[in-house]
Amino acid sequence: SAVISQKPSRDICQRGTSLTIQCQVDSQVTMMFWYRQQPGQSLTLIATANQGSEATYESGFVIDKFPISRPNLTFSTLTVSNMSPEDSSIYLCSVEFGAGGGYEQYFGPGTRLTVT
Amino acid sequence: SQKIEQNSEALNIQEGKTATLTCNYTNYSPAYLQWYRQDPGRGPVFLLLIRENEKEKRKERLKVTFDTTLKQSLFHITASQPADSATYLCALEQGTRADKLIFGTGTRLQVFP
Repeated sequence: SAVISQKPSRDICQRGTSLTIQCQVDSQVTMMFWYRQQPGQSLTLIATANQGSEATYESGFVIDKFPISRPNLTFSTLTVSNMSPEDSSIYLCSVEFGAGGGYEQYFGPGTRLTVT
Repeated sequence: SQKIEQNSEALNIQEGKTATLTCNYTNYSPAYLQWYRQDPGRGPVFLLLIRENEKEKRKERLKVTFDTTLKQSLFHITASQPADSATYLCALEQGTRADKLIFGTGTRLQVFP
């Protein structure tokens, strides 16, 4: 298992600004994921972040809007850039031990973002 | 494209009864399926994983079935308790990428005394 923390837990931001969300894991992991969960909606994968390589973005998400860093095996950041009210959501990071699929994911508590 | 359906209406049951939640999927055949619990304001917590060659899996009061012919998974909580009240999400392996999960919208379970 893993203990995952996220900072900040919540924030209210003005449109046009950017927010960087941090995700810290208490052990080394290969696979880290960033999700978005809009009110009443399912989790949607934004990107997969592996240490030492560029993040892989899902359809509808681009690096200029959601730049990701993965400097080591226990830490990652997601930046939400040039925010608009449509970016208001909960952002979650998760980790998976193992590779190739078929493993459970462990989630952080989420960051609740409100853009005014 | 892959589609996952969970009953969006809340399920209300009495304490001690068995809760049964449904997850239906279309357009593909996942190699495995997972169930998660999510409480308000918190991230999902993994409960069970079942693979396509497994018909059923149990963990304490939880039971999951996986019917690849019907393209359906059932999630059962026996002897339900008010503490089981939460939203339950099913998640399927995406298909072309085994490490990618696609989540359903979840079903809210409310267990009342």
